Amino acid sequence: QKEVEQNSGPLSVPEGAIASLNCTYSDRVSQSFFWYRQYSGKSPELIMSIYSNGDKEDGRFTAQLNKASQYVSLLIRDSQPSDSATYLCAGTSGTYKYIFGTGTRLKVLA
Amino acid sequence: DTAVSQTPKYLVTQMGNDKSIKCEQNLGHDTMYWYKQDSKKFLKIMFSYNNKELIINETVPNRFSPKSPDKAHLNLHINSLELGDSAVYFCASSPRTGDGYTFGSGTRLTVV
Repeated sequence: QKEVEQNSGPLSVPEGAIASLNCTYSDRVSQSFFWYRQYSGKSPELIMSIYSNGDKEDGRFTAQLNKASQYVSLLIRDSQPSDSATYLCAGTSGTYKYIFGTGTRLKVLA
Repeated sequence: DTAVSQTPKYLVTQMGNDKSIKCEQNLGHDTMYWYKQDSKKFLKIMFSYNNKELIINETVPNRFSPKSPDKAHLNLHINSLELGDSAVYFCASSPRTGDGYTFGSGTRLTVV
């Protein structure tokens, strides 16, 4: 099993819908989880961090963490064409290391 | 004011050459990183420094050597460049280890 696993997509959703992005992780990853957005040709940008079980909301974004089932998800409400990007899930492994998933490409259709 | 700046943005060079990429952050962060993003967009950590001390040194060829003269700077020197080194290299920083990152704009290295 990969340490952090994501479906590569593309995930296509209509404008205004909720986009749901999922990520599973192995036993080697724990503690802290992050979602980054990367537009084509640009650098990743941190959009959410989550450290404990449950939901965390920030504007149109909600991150959900379930440590028992080893998954973390990102919900984007009222999706906009400008949300079209690759979303990278990352988790910490040990004290220092950070493991990225391969990313899910999201396409929001106008 | 750019938070994490990398130079150069593009680097095209011949096999066998030696090149350096520079990174500077003005965020006051303690920890800096080098990542390599391959053609499939997978981000893999190469090195990490915390307050000028090397804390992560992943399995990369020893042709790659990082150097951190102070906690605001982390440079990457690559000797004897190979075709397989072609990728985008990202510098990043975080307040402490385990925090979220701020990435630089990346350096696209093409070895011909």
